[in-house]
Amino acid sequence: AQTIHQWPVAEIKAVGSPLSLGCTIKGKSSPNLYWYWQATGGTLQQLFYSITVGQVESVVQLNLSASRPKDDQFILSTEKLLLSHSGFYLCAWRMTGGNYAEQFFGPGTRLTVL
Amino acid sequence: AQKVTQTQTSISVVEKTTVTMDCVYETRDSSYFLFWYKQTASGEIVFLIRQDSYKKENATVGHYSLNFQKPKSSIGLIITATQIEDSAVYFCAMRGTQVVGQLTFGRGTRLQVYA
Repeated sequence: AQTIHQWPVAEIKAVGSPLSLGCTIKGKSSPNLYWYWQATGGTLQQLFYSITVGQVESVVQLNLSASRPKDDQFILSTEKLLLSHSGFYLCAWRMTGGNYAEQFFGPGTRLTVL
Repeated sequence: AQKVTQTQTSISVVEKTTVTMDCVYETRDSSYFLFWYKQTASGEIVFLIRQDSYKKENATVGHYSLNFQKPKSSIGLIITATQIEDSAVYFCAMRGTQVVGQLTFGRGTRLQVYA
C-alpha cells in the first residue's frame, strides 16, 4: 500500500528565515506530485507540480520554489519567509497512466510565520 | 481559466438525514473531471468521489452520490444517512486537460451533523 509522509508536522519560523518542507511517497513508482497551500479557513491553491524527477512546474508564484530530487521525494522551499507564507501546506500524488484522475493528499505541514 | 463555486458556506443537519451540497463550475475544456473531497478537523483531506464529464450516469460510492447536471455546469454532492463523523468541510474540485493535473477547488462547505 502506498504511504505519503510530510515533514515537519508543524513549524514556527521568523520572517526572513529560510524554509524547507518535505514530502515522500512510498509504494508508488513515478507518481505525479503536487504542492498545495491553504490559508486558514481558505481553499486549496495548487503551487507546483512534477511529473518526473528533476522537473517541476510552477502554477502560482508565491516566492517559493520546489524540487524533486528523487522519484519519491518532493521539496518545497524558500530562502526568505514572508508573513503571507503562513498556512497549511499539503503534498499530493496521482498515479500516472490508465484512468487515474484523482489526487491523494498527505497529512500536511502547518506553518506559522511570525 | 477554470472556476469552481460553492455558495453554501455551512450546513447543519440532524444525523441520519440526507444532505445536498451545491457546486457549479466553469471551464472551456470539452473533457474534464469533477471531484469531491472532505477535510476533517485534523486537516486531513480525503478523496470521496469523482465524476467524469463524458459519463451520463451519476457516480455513487458508499453513502456518497453525485447529481451531475452538465447543461447547468453543476455537480452536487448528496450524503445519505448522515453520521456525526461526516462533520467536516467539503470541497468541490475540477480538473481540466490543459494543465497537467491542475485541480481547482471551491471555497468549501462546512457540514455539521448533530445527534
